[in-house]
Amino acid sequence: GAVVSQHPSWVICKSGTSVKIECRSLDFQATTMFWYRQFPKQSLMLMATSNEGSKATYEQGVEKDKFLINHASLTLSTLTVTSAHPEDSSFYICSANRDREAGELFFGEGSRLTVL
Amino acid sequence: GQNIDQPTEMTATEGAIVQINCTYQTSGFNGLFWYQQHAGEAPTFLSYNVLDGLEEKGRFSSFLSRSKGYSYLLLKELQMKDSASYLCAVLDSNYQLIWGAGTKLIIKP
Repeated sequence: GAVVSQHPSWVICKSGTSVKIECRSLDFQATTMFWYRQFPKQSLMLMATSNEGSKATYEQGVEKDKFLINHASLTLSTLTVTSAHPEDSSFYICSANRDREAGELFFGEGSRLTVL
Repeated sequence: GQNIDQPTEMTATEGAIVQINCTYQTSGFNGLFWYQQHAGEAPTFLSYNVLDGLEEKGRFSSFLSRSKGYSYLLLKELQMKDSASYLCAVLDSNYQLIWGAGTKLIIKP
């Protein structure tokens, strides 16, 4: 199956700093990647849809200036949490699909962010 | 609005069978997915149904009735490692994946 790699798996940072999370599709080209956030004991919440070469589409309630998404190539999307605060502490997961109509998503391993 | 309902939590015994239901109301339908997610890990794909009926894959089976907006995931011969959350998701007419809140399955010895 397709492989999506996410880095870093764990990150701890101080309040006010910025953190970048990378999502790579290793063996296929992903024109679309998705970023999710998941708080403990809750389901996935879609934050934004990242399209290669264009601006990301953010879900309602997600601050685009705080969560910067860049999809510079067909295999790489990055999420930068700017000026992180403790309430941003969460599990961030990226996913990608090879075929928009197929729907099956391949997930990265997830990144657990803890903001002190 | 779009809505997917599944039970919050279920408990079953090792070796038994459990059925996790999912009902949906979405704008269009292009398939239904079941994903498994262990605590602290990313979801993994289990099954995909786009036509009515039962799809069997080893110990796991998934059923779909489009007319009823209903699906279930059936897990047989439960093992302790099956303790996880099971997420139901529907691909709508815009090919957007709409997620349910997940069902936490607890397996007891």
